Order: sequence, then structure tokens, then C-alpha cells
Amino acid sequence: AQKITQTQPGMFVQEKEAVTLDCTYDTSDQSYGLFWYKQPSSGEMIFLIYQGSYDEQNATEGRYSLNFQKARKSANLVISASQLGDSAMYFCAMRDGYSSASKIIFGSGTRLSIRP
Amino acid sequence: ETGVTQTPRHLVMGMTNKKSLKCEQHLGHNAMYWYKQSAKKPLELMFVYSLEERVENNSVPSRFSPECPNSSHLFLHLHTLQPEDSALYLCASSLMTGNGEQFFGPGTRLTVL
Repeated sequence: AQKITQTQPGMFVQEKEAVTLDCTYDTSDQSYGLFWYKQPSSGEMIFLIYQGSYDEQNATEGRYSLNFQKARKSANLVISASQLGDSAMYFCAMRDGYSSASKIIFGSGTRLSIRP
Repeated sequence: ETGVTQTPRHLVMGMTNKKSLKCEQHLGHNAMYWYKQSAKKPLELMFVYSLEERVENNSVPSRFSPECPNSSHLFLHLHTLQPEDSALYLCASSLMTGNGEQFFGPGTRLTVL
């Protein structure tokens, strides 16, 4: 069965520092996709970044990068130069490669708090 | 309107009421989803609609009844709910092709008294 694990329920980081949010996954599929979402206190889930299982390079989107280590089944999110607006819940998620609709399972999330 | 919209944003209802949540996507997507987010629990997928047909129903109680009249609209009809159904209900949409990333609406915060 597929599973996403986020072991950090909460993190505090000083503004302008880089932060790494951990995510490990478990799947027997060869083809899958990994996502990170941000959920501010307003509730909306905001898509941040995507990594496909066959992508050889780590995905990057602005200040976000995904440290993909396939053998370790880990997909950590790195936020460079953190900002106060980065304070939110962050969810790692995975899509298996064979669904007719892209069913995604989510981890339990990490609450990130940025200190000024 | 852009993206995914949901109405109402907040809803308080008694256990004997009937209400509906509405979701609309303006992204040209062809799959739509309902999720439930309770406190201290991961996001739970409730229903998936692909090309207006329900393809997934994750053992959701019958007091939740989805409806997808077209690829842009999704409803969740609620009746005789329980207090434990109080949660944030999120709607999402995606394309059936490509990476499959889902785009979410702002959610409806439901309280059942």
C-alpha cells in the first residue's frame, strides 16, 4: 500500500534561513509523482512543486526545490531564504502512476513557523 | 472568477438539516475531487469524478451525496450529519493527463451542532 510519512509535526526557523521539510514515501509502483502543497491559515491548499519518478534532475520552482532521493524513497522540500509568509502547514503527497484519475494521498503535514 | 471556487465558505447546520456545498472550477480541468480535512488527521479523499463519472468513493457514509452535473461543477449534498462530520471540506480539480497536480479551492468550514 502507498504511504507518505512526514516525521516533523512542527518546525521553527529564523527568517532568511533555509529550511528542509522531510518526506518519505512507500510505493511498489515504478511510475509515480510527488507533490508538495502549502496550506496557510486561510485553508486553501497551494501547489508548490512536482517531481516525477523518472525525472533525473531535482525539481525547482523559485525558492522551492525538491531533494529527490529515489533509492531512499525520500522527497524533501527545501525552501531557501525563508520569509514570514512561508509560515503555514506543508503537505507532501504522492500520485500513483496507474489511476484513471490522479488520486493523490497526503502526508500528515509539517507546521512551519518563521521567526522574525 | 479564476481557479477553483467554493461556496459557502462557512456553514453551521443542525443534525436534521439538509444543505449543499458547491464547487466550481474555471481551469478547463476534467477531474474533480472532494476531500475532508479534520483536525489532526491527514487529508481524506472522499470522492473522485473523472469526465463527470464517479470513479472513486472511499467508503463515505451515505449522508454525503456527491453530484457532478458537468466538468466545471461539483456539489456535495449533506443530510442528517453527525457532529464528527465537522471539518474543512476541500474541493480540487485536475487534468486527467500530465503531472496530475490538483488545484484546490479555499474550502468550506462545516460545523455540525
